[in-house]
Amino acid sequence: DARVTQTPRHKVTEMGQEVTMRCQPILGHNTVFWYRQTMMQGLELLAYFRNRAPLDDSGMPKDRFSAEMPDATLATLKIQPSEPRDSAVYFCASGPGLGNPDTQYFGPGTRLTVL
Amino acid sequence: AQRVTQPEKLLSVFKGAPVELKCNYSYSGSPELFWYVQYSRQRLQLLLRHISRESIKGFTADLNKGETSFHLKKPFAQEEDSAMYYCHNTDKLIFGTGTRLQVFP
Repeated sequence: DARVTQTPRHKVTEMGQEVTMRCQPILGHNTVFWYRQTMMQGLELLAYFRNRAPLDDSGMPKDRFSAEMPDATLATLKIQPSEPRDSAVYFCASGPGLGNPDTQYFGPGTRLTVL
Repeated sequence: AQRVTQPEKLLSVFKGAPVELKCNYSYSGSPELFWYVQYSRQRLQLLLRHISRESIKGFTADLNKGETSFHLKKPFAQEEDSAMYYCHNTDKLIFGTGTRLQVFP
């Protein structure tokens, strides 16, 4: 049963520290999404990749956030420097990219707390 | 701005009662809408897609272009339906804010 994996599952850090979250998409999927979930805003799209190329990162604060796919099996989301308002659950999802509409398969999320 | 709106944060019903979780979208055209569900301590997963016109776990959703809605319905709620439900526009990659459904015994 192929699943999207995310590490770490929980992260507590202090303001100003760098945070790196990792995602392993389902093998063979060519679309990857990063979402942030908060009580106030719900699920917000941060970045979207197709075939490892970033297609949309307009939802991401560019000054501190960055998203990359160094290879087809790894997607990363970095926050530097982190701030308390970044506290949220960050989800990664992947999709087969077979066309529109495309089902997304979600990871378990990384719960980030910035003190 | 294009939006997907779920007006209710919480919907509470008793077992056996009908359920309708509302979803409205704010743009013209033919949106590709899905419903996703997140059960307690589980990951977000697809529930159903409007193009499939299917019934999953007793839930159905019909796209109403006149009312720009895609409400999720079930005639008789079960306790195991308790979860967070998200309406999703898959071609605009927009999620609604979610509705928590609580089904009491």
